[in-house]
Amino acid sequence: QQPVQSPQAVILREGEDAVINCSSSKALYSVHWYRQKHGEAPVFLMILLKGGEQKGHDKISASFNEKKQQSSLYLTASQLSYSGTYFCGTATTGGGNKLTFGTGTQLKVEL
Amino acid sequence: DVKVTQSSRYLVKRTGEKVFLECVQDMDHENMFWYRQDPGLGLRLIYFSYDVKMKEKGDIPEGYSVSREKKERFSLILESASTNQTSMYLCASSLRQGVTWGYTFGSGTRLTVV
Repeated sequence: QQPVQSPQAVILREGEDAVINCSSSKALYSVHWYRQKHGEAPVFLMILLKGGEQKGHDKISASFNEKKQQSSLYLTASQLSYSGTYFCGTATTGGGNKLTFGTGTQLKVEL
Repeated sequence: DVKVTQSSRYLVKRTGEKVFLECVQDMDHENMFWYRQDPGLGLRLIYFSYDVKMKEKGDIPEGYSVSREKKERFSLILESASTNQTSMYLCASSLRQGVTWGYTFGSGTRLTVV
């Protein structure tokens, strides 16, 4: 079953912050985050593993709450280059070697 | 950087044709995957392989098969193409088995079945 992402779409002004959420109905082992720009391949951002860790690089970070079976991606002081579609991919405990991706969140950053 | 190369960017095929989509990765990754991407549905896993000649079904394997004769190459086969298989197909690879390694995606093949 696909994880649920919210919001489906968001428009920001440059410099604003955004949060994208990813929720699963099943126990999660790991969560991946990817960004896809229009016409390009999805690009890996980060992985979070069971243990409730938080990760980040530059102004993009993420958290993983295994009890709530959800992850959140935080984009701070957004830049035009952050525009694209963000996907979370989840691996469930006992679900084998595969990720199931959400339907994506379209993010557009404007001047 | 790991590169995942898909042989065609655009393909147009006729209903009933046998279609081969090729994917090659150049960094000795163990895992390889085929996803299809449709608007509003995100990426859905068709098949994956964690070793040469090994394959496992994903979430939507019906109407597809795969082949992995060499570690670097993973082929997706549509035995008899149908219009509902019109989609963007993405190949991906990851270093090792398991889900603790990030995926590297190819640029995709947009297949249109007429």
